[in-house]
Amino acid sequence: DAKTTQPNSMESNEEEPVHLPCNHSTISGTDYIHWYRQLPSQGPEYVIHGLTSNVNNRMASLAIAEDRKSSTLILHRATLRDAAVYYCILRRYGGSQGNLIFGKGTKLSVKP
Amino acid sequence: EAQVTQNPRYLITVTGKKLTVTCSQNMNHEYMSWYRQDPGLGLRQIYYSMNVEVTDKGDVPEGYKVSRKEKRNFPLILESPSPNQTSLYFCASSLGLDRGKYNEQFFGPGTRLTVL
Repeated sequence: DAKTTQPNSMESNEEEPVHLPCNHSTISGTDYIHWYRQLPSQGPEYVIHGLTSNVNNRMASLAIAEDRKSSTLILHRATLRDAAVYYCILRRYGGSQGNLIFGKGTKLSVKP
Repeated sequence: EAQVTQNPRYLITVTGKKLTVTCSQNMNHEYMSWYRQDPGLGLRQIYYSMNVEVTDKGDVPEGYKVSRKEKRNFPLILESPSPNQTSLYFCASSLGLDRGKYNEQFFGPGTRLTVL
């Protein structure tokens, strides 16, 4: 799987938008961009995924660059509960494993 | 409630004493997987199962065994645990891996294992 690069940590204020960047310059045409997050003392949980077009769901939005070499996870109004480690992961569909290759992720801190 | 459950949540054991960590899902998922999480190394896959009676090695399978006799259960077995298997373990499940089918993985709450 292609590699992703994320900042180690970011800070945000409560109720403000947060933009979490991810670089994936070696992405291939069949790689989907997935985001998971891991709250303290919990297992990872799915946030959002996309291929080429921007995506929205109840948790977040995913903005994908036109060349697909980068993407941004957008939390529209950060809450204290959003403090977590956010992982950007590329998954190639059609593979045999379904393995999620987790990098180190971005640790998001949210200040009241 | 759709969920993945693991038991036990915490376990302290001694070197060489066989143990089993259970994992169960109630979503009729075909795919199940075990990960371990270590500081500085992130989450790494141990074993996975595409369906009943179908299992395969992940990235770090040494020292572990698994079985998948029923669709809902995927136990992780440590026949002779060693201190380097002290870690936080997560079980995960998802729908099948058919091309084009979206398959979000659902993770269990984790099992913290300490091997003395």
